[in-house]
Amino acid sequence: ETGVTQSPTHLIKTRGQQVTLRCSSQSGHNTVSWYQQALGQGPQFIFQYYREEENGRGNFPPRFSGLQFPNYSSELNVNALELDDSALYLCASSFLGQGSTDTQYFGPGTRLTVL
Amino acid sequence: AQSVTQLDSQVPVFEEAPVELRCNYSSSVSVYLFWYVQYPNQGLQLLLKYLSGSTLVESINGFEAEFNKSQTSFHLRKPSVHISDTAEYFCAVSNNFNKFYFGSGTKLNVKP
Repeated sequence: ETGVTQSPTHLIKTRGQQVTLRCSSQSGHNTVSWYQQALGQGPQFIFQYYREEENGRGNFPPRFSGLQFPNYSSELNVNALELDDSALYLCASSFLGQGSTDTQYFGPGTRLTVL
Repeated sequence: AQSVTQLDSQVPVFEEAPVELRCNYSSSVSVYLFWYVQYPNQGLQLLLKYLSGSTLVESINGFEAEFNKSQTSFHLRKPSVHISDTAEYFCAVSNNFNKFYFGSGTKLNVKP
């Protein structure tokens, strides 16, 4: 086990609704990244938070937003859900520091279904 | 922009046979390269990574990958696979650790 937890494990929403997914990072990590993994695809990078600020963003619209809290837990918020948002959402925590390398530890994911 | 291509979506192989999972990337800048593994019903785990130095990197369970800059490749190899190696393998690239790009994955199916 990586020590990265995510909640909930499964979630069903309808189009137009909003959803919040949560991630608890591994102890000592200061960085969290979020990914969307559609069925049969590799993870697609959504964004990364480092010390509570967005540190990088993939090709996702603004209705995907996030937060990172002082205890390094994190949320992914998706507004105006669309059917194509149905996927497994993964978070990964890591330690990013000067001169240090970055190994990401992934959580088990949240399966979101949009009807 | 960066991208990763894993040409083989599925690779069937018999136990104790050698295997190579191919990964090619495109990037205009220096990159860091990773292989992740996802065993059935488990989360993604780092298998090995290339950051700098020797272009040949190894994992603790016998896999190795070689960074080839001229061919922009980072193929994963194992000389003799086991049933327990059955999993999905993902290649990933990053150039500054704040954006990661994954391939679509290769399912390795080891048969007895």
